[in-house]
Amino acid sequence: QVQLVQSGAEVQKPGASVKLSCQASGYTFNIYYMHWVRQAPGQGLEWMGGINPGGDTTSYAQKFQARLTLTRDTSRSTVYMELSSLTSDDTSVYYCARGSSVTTRRAFDIWGQGTMVTVSS
Amino acid sequence: EIVLTQSPGTLSLSPGERATLSCRASQSVSGSYLAWYQQKPGQAPRLLISGASSRATGIPDRFSGSGSGTDFTLTISRLEPEDFVVYYCQYYGSSPLTFGGGSKVEIK
Repeated sequence: QVQLVQSGAEVQKPGASVKLSCQASGYTFNIYYMHWVRQAPGQGLEWMGGINPGGDTTSYAQKFQARLTLTRDTSRSTVYMELSSLTSDDTSVYYCARGSSVTTRRAFDIWGQGTMVTVSS
Repeated sequence: EIVLTQSPGTLSLSPGERATLSCRASQSVSGSYLAWYQQKPGQAPRLLISGASSRATGIPDRFSGSGSGTDFTLTISRLEPEDFVVYYCQYYGSSPLTFGGGSKVEIK
């Protein structure tokens, strides 16, 4: 079935970086944009950024421009999210989600299960 | 950036009642690229409505979306016990994509 499976929970120290993965299956990976969304404990959803099907164009929310990197590996049907210079404010559940296809603008119809990232000294 | 403001923050209703949730955009949403999601505790969001009014696959017909321009509405015609959770609207037209702050539907 169509699904996104994310890597496991992470605990990082302030100032460190974290790199999460999201593996797709059950559909043609290389025709869909992929996005990352985070949710701090008890808070709402926050779009972080997206990457195009070819992996050569990314779009980031302004607040993450300086420290967010999205990449994708078509051979592994996997998208990666790396966030650097972590602070306690980055403690959140991070979700990957499938977005638009190359032909059709689409909402996020498939979501990963979420990965908890805890930033603590 | 399109800012989405959802209201009310919390809606207290009884099972079987009708819920009306609002999402107001700071500028006109071109192409009606407005979606609604439902999120249950401990779960990822689930797409309910896209294109302002099109139900996603498998979504019951008690959920409906309407609106255009800057004002959008999610209506749940008859609340079931599993509907008492949080709902988010989202603009997905062009970067930056944005979410509203969410509306919680709680049991009265």
